[in-house]
Amino acid sequence: DPKIIQKPKYLVAVTGSEKILICEQYLGHNAMYWYRQSAKKPLEFMFSYSYQKLMDNQTASSRFQPQSSKKNHLDLQITALKPDDSATYFCASSLPGHSGNTLYFGEGSRLIVV
Amino acid sequence: AEKVIQVWSTASRQEGEELTLDCSYETSQVLYHLFWYKHLLSGEMVFLIRQTSSSTAKERSGRYSVVFQKSLKSISLIISALQPDDSGKYFCALWERGNSGTYQRFGTGTKLQVVP
Repeated sequence: DPKIIQKPKYLVAVTGSEKILICEQYLGHNAMYWYRQSAKKPLEFMFSYSYQKLMDNQTASSRFQPQSSKKNHLDLQITALKPDDSATYFCASSLPGHSGNTLYFGEGSRLIVV
Repeated sequence: AEKVIQVWSTASRQEGEELTLDCSYETSQVLYHLFWYKHLLSGEMVFLIRQTSSSTAKERSGRYSVVFQKSLKSISLIISALQPDDSGKYFCALWERGNSGTYQRFGTGTKLQVVP
């Protein structure tokens, strides 16, 4: 059974709309992350959370808002979607992030904005 | 500038061969960790092996091993006895103890195809 669940797996959205990507982890980790992978680019770090608090934010746009309603949840709300937001979004978790622990990833949510 | 560089975007080998995937990185930190991950065709991203900057041990995990050249800021992943299931995309990642020490930075990845 997958230990990190991401929903939906695939998503097509219209430009200007808003979507939420869901992530739940069942590894007992306290640190959670969002990464984005666009074509021919490195896996790009977006946010890190530890104990439901934001630790790092490397996303320039405020259209991306992480939401942590529970310790093992880190959802990603994206507003005013643009075609450039098309990418696969990976959620990950680890033991405390400040120690450089191994990341465990979900299978990704592939978003296409038309 | 990118901190983690994987020069080769693709590679192809025959089953049974050995492959070396190269990765170079930039850091001014004394303590850092380097990771190799594999992105499976199913979409899953899995951890393969890790190297700590302070370690001189030659890390190995099953058919995976690394060559860590600290002075050159280079880490190579070696996969022995390649199998078709080794096909996928391999990512090198860097974690540094420093101001932004809560996340790992990734390279662009190398896509490997193993031909039976």
